[in-house]
Amino acid sequence: DAGVIQSPRHEVTEMGQEVTLRCKPISGHDYLFWYRQTMMRGLELLIYFNNNVPIDDSGMPEDRFSAKMPNASFSTLKIQPSEPRDSAVYFCASSPFLGQGHEQYFGPGTRLTVT
Amino acid sequence: TQLLEQSPQFLSIQEGENLTVYCNSSSVFSSLQWYRQEPGEGPVLLVTVVTGGEVKKLKRLTFQFGDARKDSSLHITAAQPGDTGLYLCAGANQGGKLIFGQGTELSVKP
Repeated sequence: DAGVIQSPRHEVTEMGQEVTLRCKPISGHDYLFWYRQTMMRGLELLIYFNNNVPIDDSGMPEDRFSAKMPNASFSTLKIQPSEPRDSAVYFCASSPFLGQGHEQYFGPGTRLTVT
Repeated sequence: TQLLEQSPQFLSIQEGENLTVYCNSSSVFSSLQWYRQEPGEGPVLLVTVVTGGEVKKLKRLTFQFGDARKDSSLHITAAQPGDTGLYLCAGANQGGKLIFGQGTELSVKP
């Protein structure tokens, strides 16, 4: 398996623009997670899906952020409008189940820079 | 809010030295994991500990889960340059969500 695939790997955009990050989870994994990593706050869970349904979006910073999972093999994280403080590395991860001892498989991340 | 505090935040040592990284919380976790992250990549799972007091070894790495399941440690014996990276602990709450520590940036110089 190719692992979790994310695109783009790098994104540079200007403040106010819309940004869309994409993720393809590992086939057969029922859970998909979106994380944000910064030096100040570390790795934070933004939202996760189970069987394409959003289960917990309590980590989404504000209404400018939205995430969708239209099918089992694709998810997007959208920021509209983007702000400089959104600059971070965004990771997508997938897992076959959620519970004690579950392993999350992370993608390579998208480094977002908002100027 | 469950929090995990890792220490030290940064560690720079010479090849061959031993080191210990700590992960502490005031909360109880159902399990605790250690991940390693290299520059430009996502974290990769090293180990999961589930039982209080559990010790697991992975070659030169020894992981321990505290008796009360609130803390954990990672000990590396005879560190090598290939051990360089960001080490993250992550606790699973009852719902299974992972709470990550801030990470320990390890640099092992030859």
